[in-house]
Amino acid sequence: GNSVTQMEGPVTLSEEAFLTINCTYTATGYPSLFWYVQYPGEGLQLLLKATKADDKGSNKGFEATYRKETTSFHLEKGSVQVSDSAVYFCALSGSEKLVFGKGMKLTVNP
Amino acid sequence: EAGVAQSPRYKIIEKRQSVAFWCNPISGHATLYWYQQILGQGPKLLIQFQNNGVVDDSQLPKDRFSAERLKGVDSTLKIQPAKLEDSAVYLCASSLAGRRDYGYTFGSGTRLTVV
Repeated sequence: GNSVTQMEGPVTLSEEAFLTINCTYTATGYPSLFWYVQYPGEGLQLLLKATKADDKGSNKGFEATYRKETTSFHLEKGSVQVSDSAVYFCALSGSEKLVFGKGMKLTVNP
Repeated sequence: EAGVAQSPRYKIIEKRQSVAFWCNPISGHATLYWYQQILGQGPKLLIQFQNNGVVDDSQLPKDRFSAERLKGVDSTLKIQPAKLEDSAVYLCASSLAGRRDYGYTFGSGTRLTVV
């Protein structure tokens, strides 16, 4: 079945540091790929998405590119802020069913 | 537009008791999902509804969990009797039917603690 593997944390960075969170997937067909973010005490929010190969999703300074050849969808941000502290989930959607990775907790210190 | 509404926000019960969670999806979203998120893990799908019909309940522990969506709008998830390992956040989400690229909208969740 479909599955997502993402790097495990927790990760602690200083403000303005570069962030990469690796995500790879296994799926049949052509899934859509997503990054969700969960801030402390809140529900999941869609951060960005890509629906086909080579698409780049972007939002709030975060970017991820759908790489079919490497089955990856790595999340990047050039300069993190304290407000980016959250748990980040990579996910894929095959036939509507959304499958999540385990999540990675990011803490950004001033 | 209003988001996905869930209640209660928090619940503490003793093991072997029963509990129910309620979800009201975004208006017009035919597909509704219940996910279980155990601390430190990604959300796991429990059940998916399309209107008032069940599409996927393969990971729902049917001996103790039940869910319904009688009128194709709001939904209730019940646990009876609860076990310690049911302690988790229960997330409800909804999406437009047939739009797998659309992503889901999640509610804030219900945090259940079983003691």
